[in-house]
Formats: sequence, structure tokens, C-alpha cells
Amino acid sequence: AQSVTQLGSHVSVSEGALVLLRCNYSSSVPPYLFWYVQYPNQGLQLLLKYTSAATLVKGINGFEAEFKKSETSFHLTKPSAHMSDAAEYFCAVSDRVNAGKSTFGDGTTLTVKP
Amino acid sequence: GAVVSQHPSWVICKSGTSVKIECRSLDFQATTMFWYRQFPKQSLMLMATSNEGSKATYEQGVEKDKFLINHASLTLSTLTVTSAHPEDSSFYICSAARTDIYGYTFGSGTRLTVV
Repeated sequence: AQSVTQLGSHVSVSEGALVLLRCNYSSSVPPYLFWYVQYPNQGLQLLLKYTSAATLVKGINGFEAEFKKSETSFHLTKPSAHMSDAAEYFCAVSDRVNAGKSTFGDGTTLTVKP
Repeated sequence: GAVVSQHPSWVICKSGTSVKIECRSLDFQATTMFWYRQFPKQSLMLMATSNEGSKATYEQGVEKDKFLINHASLTLSTLTVTSAHPEDSSFYICSAARTDIYGYTFGSGTRLTVV
């Protein structure tokens, strides 16, 4: 069984500040990990994914995440927040056999203040 | 590449009627597609796995007779909500898995409102 815990349902940062969205996972097998962004009434857009290559993964829009097996974490960061980053962010985990069947976290709403 | 089109983007229907939602992979073949449901301010919950040419696999607690899934071709899966009721109102999202890469692409979602 797999699960994802996103710490903090709401995160608020000032424009230009560091963005840190936390995700911890549980998996009995080596995981694939994903971060998605969702804007209101839209589908999910993949920001980045970890599939057992480099532990530091760079994604779109300046986001990156680091896979830390010892901490079972896959936190999402961005050095400088933009107003356009305000959205809902989901962390997801899947196993390598059923890579398309993911378990999602509850999501974190990111607010960016001017 | 790897574009998934979902249609309609929103639909309003009367209670007791059926609604069909389409999920198409536009530039690749998808042997497997997934259907998710998302309630307001909540996460995505997997409803079923749609397999081309065979029966869908439903997650526990999902009524297969209410949520009919058909995956008749490698580029199209449909979800039909039968005899819809207001509690079926939700955001439905599909995703399609490419066989040649690790990952999958989501459609833009369908907002269903049953009145």
C-alpha cells in the first residue's frame, strides 16, 4: 500500500520569497513520485517526477524537488514565488509496476501575496 | 506530445438522466486510462482503470453499474454516469498512460452538475 501526506493544507508566501511545499510518502516498494499543479476548474499539470534517476529533479516553471529516501520525503521548492504560482499543488506516489495508478495527497493551496 | 483531450469540460444535467464523458489521447495510443473524481477542495480519488478491449477495473466502493466505462479503442475511453443524482456532482478527470514512457497525462477535467 502507498500513501502520501502533504504537510500544510495552506501555504502563504510573499512574491519573491522561497516556496516550500512538503510531501512525505509511504511505500513498500520503490516509488515513483510526482508533483502536479491544478488551477481552478482545470485538470492537473505535471510539474516534475522522480522515477529513480537523479534524486534532485528539476521541473517546469522553476520548481524542483529532492527525493530523500531516508526521510521518505519529496518536498517541492521554488527559489522565488511569482503571483502566477498561486494554485493547488498535489503530491502523488505510484509504484513502478502500475506507474499510471497514483495515490494523491490532499493537496496544498499556495497563496502568493504581493 | 502526450495530449489528452476530455469532453465536455462542463455539463449540467437533470436528475435521473445519464451523462457521457469522453477522454481521448490525441497523439499517442493509450492501452490504459484512469478515471478520477475530485470533490471541491479535495484530492483526486481513483475510480477505475480502463483497459482497452477488456472490462474496467473499479476501485472499492465505486458502483460499476452506475459509472460505466468503455475503452473500445486505443485512443478513446468513455465514462457514463447513469441515472445521475445531485450527489454525483463532481469534477471528473481522466488520465492516459503512454506505454513508452514512465508517466501519464491528465485531461482538463469535466465539471458535472446534476440538478
